[in-house]
Amino acid sequence: GESVGLHLPTLSVQEGDNSIINCAYSNSASDYFIWYKQESGKGPQFIIDIRSNMDKRQGQRVTVLLNKTVKHLSLQIAATQPGDSAVYFCAEYPSGNNRKLIWGLGTSLAVNP
Amino acid sequence: GAGVSQSPSNKVTEKGKDVELRCDPISGHTALYWYRQSLGQGLEFLIYFQGNSAPDKSGLPSDRFSAERTGGSVSTLTIQRTQQEDSAVYLCASSLGWGGNQPQHFGDGTRLSIL
Repeated sequence: GESVGLHLPTLSVQEGDNSIINCAYSNSASDYFIWYKQESGKGPQFIIDIRSNMDKRQGQRVTVLLNKTVKHLSLQIAATQPGDSAVYFCAEYPSGNNRKLIWGLGTSLAVNP
Repeated sequence: GAGVSQSPSNKVTEKGKDVELRCDPISGHTALYWYRQSLGQGLEFLIYFQGNSAPDKSGLPSDRFSAERTGGSVSTLTIQRTQQEDSAVYLCASSLGWGGNQPQHFGDGTRLSIL
């Protein structure tokens, strides 16, 4: 289940299964969204992005879905592999002058062999 | 390599000392950002630079923190009179432009430990 504070939400999946990581973003005026993957001891790595004029975008084994009505973003990873184990962050750019990237808390993905 | 480079990768120092952290952004990237990340936490924005514009320092936690960017490229984050609560990973990122639908690309950070 999920928790707040010092504990990241955790998702545990079996190798080969599909993973879905969810994110509720905060600002209805946000017009650009990014998913990052962070492995232990590394900086966040860009995975995929999506603009607000789209509701779906696909990459290699990853798909991002955007639902602006409920301010929800999801990252789907197909055929999850052990190398996908990491913390995943969603980030949003509000439109307007104050375009600082707003970061979600992160979800820890554990892939069981 | 062509990515963002940060140095040192690890820094251990005594409380009260000053530290300097360095970031080399991707060549051609005009925007540069500093973040702080505590263990198991998300990213805390510190400061950003965009071209020749005045930096946005709104995230700096105290006046002990400062940063500069020389020649629109390399940046240095300085923490004076370090405290134990400054212990964290300090991440630098760069992007082609400010906001404007450009993803930020990160270095692997400097892990700072204050004894």
